[in-house]
Amino acid sequence: SQQGEEDPQALSIQEGENATMNCSYKTSINNLQWYRQNSGRGLVHLILIRSNEREKHSGRLRVTLDTSKKSSSLLITASRAADTASYFCATLPTGNNDMRFGAGTRLTVKP
Amino acid sequence: KAGVTQTPRYLIKTRGQQVTLSCSPISGHRSVSWYQQTPGQGLQFLFEYFSETQRNKGNFPGRFSGRQFSNSRSEMNVSTLELGDSALYLCASSPVTGGGYEQYFGPGTRLTVT
Repeated sequence: SQQGEEDPQALSIQEGENATMNCSYKTSINNLQWYRQNSGRGLVHLILIRSNEREKHSGRLRVTLDTSKKSSSLLITASRAADTASYFCATLPTGNNDMRFGAGTRLTVKP
Repeated sequence: KAGVTQTPRYLIKTRGQQVTLSCSPISGHRSVSWYQQTPGQGLQFLFEYFSETQRNKGNFPGRFSGRQFSNSRSEMNVSTLELGDSALYLCASSPVTGGGYEQYFGPGTRLTVT
């Protein structure tokens, strides 16, 4: 069953702009991960943030986690056409060993 | 290091048949998880194997089964195929079990049931 819900479902921006995607979840978690999926292919891990962390950076990516609001955001700065993909958040609920994925945000970056 | 490989990449089967999908994890990874991805239900966890033992199982009927071999390669079997089983099946490997680490995904097997 899905745990996270991404918002928006789809996002279209111009190259060079920033893209922000949000993820909300329902139960307490041990960690939250963000993945990218290019059309019909496997997922690529982007970043993992643990429940005791509030913010993490990786290159042009910035992830925040607010456990009190049960939400996370992924910011991609200075977007490129190659960033066009679907982005998923995945949570590891406390007491569980299987990750729960959200429905994803479809990001389109126009050159 | 070679990535996760899945075979076959594409498969067309008829209702009622059975199918076996294969996944070879990254060398040294002992955990293999399987996911089903459909447009309607999204990504759903099927099961996880670690050291040849099923550690976790998602909410799927018993028609879905799997196993893991001593070299960590894993197979997934679906018996009595239904139209709704058409999906992209993804496997992911991780060095450890427990879901607390990043997973490395294969390219998937696209199964079409007619």
